[in-house]
Amino acid sequence: DIVMTQTPLSSPVTLGQPASISCRSSQSLVHSDGNTYLSWLQRRPGQPPRLLIYRISNRFSGVPDRFSGSGTGTDFTLKISRVEAEDVGVYYCLQATDFPRTFGQGTKLEIK
Amino acid sequence: EVQLLESGGGLVQPGGSLRLSCEASGFSFTTYAMSWVRQAPGKGLEWVSGIDGSSDNTWSSDSVKGRFTISRDNSKNTLYLQMNSLRAEDTALYYCARDYGGDPIFGYWGQGTLVTVSS
Repeated sequence: DIVMTQTPLSSPVTLGQPASISCRSSQSLVHSDGNTYLSWLQRRPGQPPRLLIYRISNRFSGVPDRFSGSGTGTDFTLKISRVEAEDVGVYYCLQATDFPRTFGQGTKLEIK
Repeated sequence: EVQLLESGGGLVQPGGSLRLSCEASGFSFTTYAMSWVRQAPGKGLEWVSGIDGSSDNTWSSDSVKGRFTISRDNSKNTLYLQMNSLRAEDTALYYCARDYGGDPIFGYWGQGTLVTVSS
């Protein structure tokens, strides 16, 4: 199974400041079709998971452009350029290159 | 508009069974693989099981293999999860999500259905 490791597990951030979350996979996420199926999801209390970024760097519909994704192979990053109050929640990376699908442990974003 | 609506959750005793359903609409159901994902209280997201569009292939996590069975009825646009031999550690909010078949993978999720395993 592909193991997804996120850092940090907790991230206190000042409103308006940037935030960054890293995700490392135990093996390359490049699929045989040439795509890399690494996604980032946001989980807010009382709401289902929300897709933010898919295939490393593609923002999903309705996602603010302050969210961006980057990376290659086994190392990936989610960046929030200026954190807003509504960004509080837990962020997960997810690999969908292979079965079983695997998530990172989650990173809790909170406001200082 | 893509919609996924889970149902079937509830309170069940250890060792009991439950069947979850997920009714899909707003997209070509047969084109997409589907997955079940759960979140136990205080824990992170855990992928449970997946099935391809034609039901030719299914996959399950080690934690539920041999106890849970994923299936689908494309004529009813419905995904199922048959859960047998339930344990306390299966207590979680269960979500269905659209898997591969087109972008974006895991872009659409249901609202979730709560399964509580307790005596």
